[in-house]
Amino acid sequence: EVQLVQSGAEVKKPGESLKISCKGSGYSFTSYWIGWVRQMPGKGLEWMGIIYPGDSDTRYSPSFQGQVTISADKSISTAYLQWSSLKASDTAMYYCASHGSSSSLHYFDYWGQGTLVTVSS
Amino acid sequence: DTVMTQSPASLAVSLGERATINCKSSQSIIDRSDNKNYLAWYQQKPGQPPKLLIYWASTRESGVPDRFSGSGSGTDFTLTISSPQAEDVAVYYCQQYYSTPVTFGQGTKVEIK
Repeated sequence: EVQLVQSGAEVKKPGESLKISCKGSGYSFTSYWIGWVRQMPGKGLEWMGIIYPGDSDTRYSPSFQGQVTISADKSISTAYLQWSSLKASDTAMYYCASHGSSSSLHYFDYWGQGTLVTVSS
Repeated sequence: DTVMTQSPASLAVSLGERATINCKSSQSIIDRSDNKNYLAWYQQKPGQPPKLLIYWASTRESGVPDRFSGSGSGTDFTLTISSPQAEDVAVYYCQQYYSTPVTFGQGTKVEIK
């Protein structure tokens, strides 16, 4: 059974850095793309970017390019989303999601449970 | 970016009354080489992650009740819930995966009267 388990909720101050994680199990981690999706409070879904852990090929939405960094450590089957300097507007639920297509552009079959990030002074 | 526009923003239906959600893309999301529409539908219940319902515009994901169906092609798509049940109360999103960045519609909230 494919499972994506995300790290726990975070409360941070503006300007702080943060790295949240998404651990995959039940499948070949290096053969599935893992993407990140933002959901701001009461709002819809936004595709941030995606990584192929097999070769670390990473694609970003222009809206998020330069704002976050997506990475993966295939030795521990874990993908990451990180910020170097958080803003209050980064307050949101962040989901990781995966698919097994050879293309980075695909629907997501599997979703993590979400990580709530709250940025407040 | 390909803009996905859903309508209505919300709808309230009686149990057993058909529910129809529309999704329009700002450009065609059909690949003529394989004649596939790169359109998916998700259901998101409160406090839960989205759940895949439909992909390739009309293919139902395994385990999804057959009261959910998808149709449409090119730029205009529809999700139909033929006889909504209480457990179908949720927000529904369409998603195009034809071009980067992948984009979602703004969501349609379905409630039961």
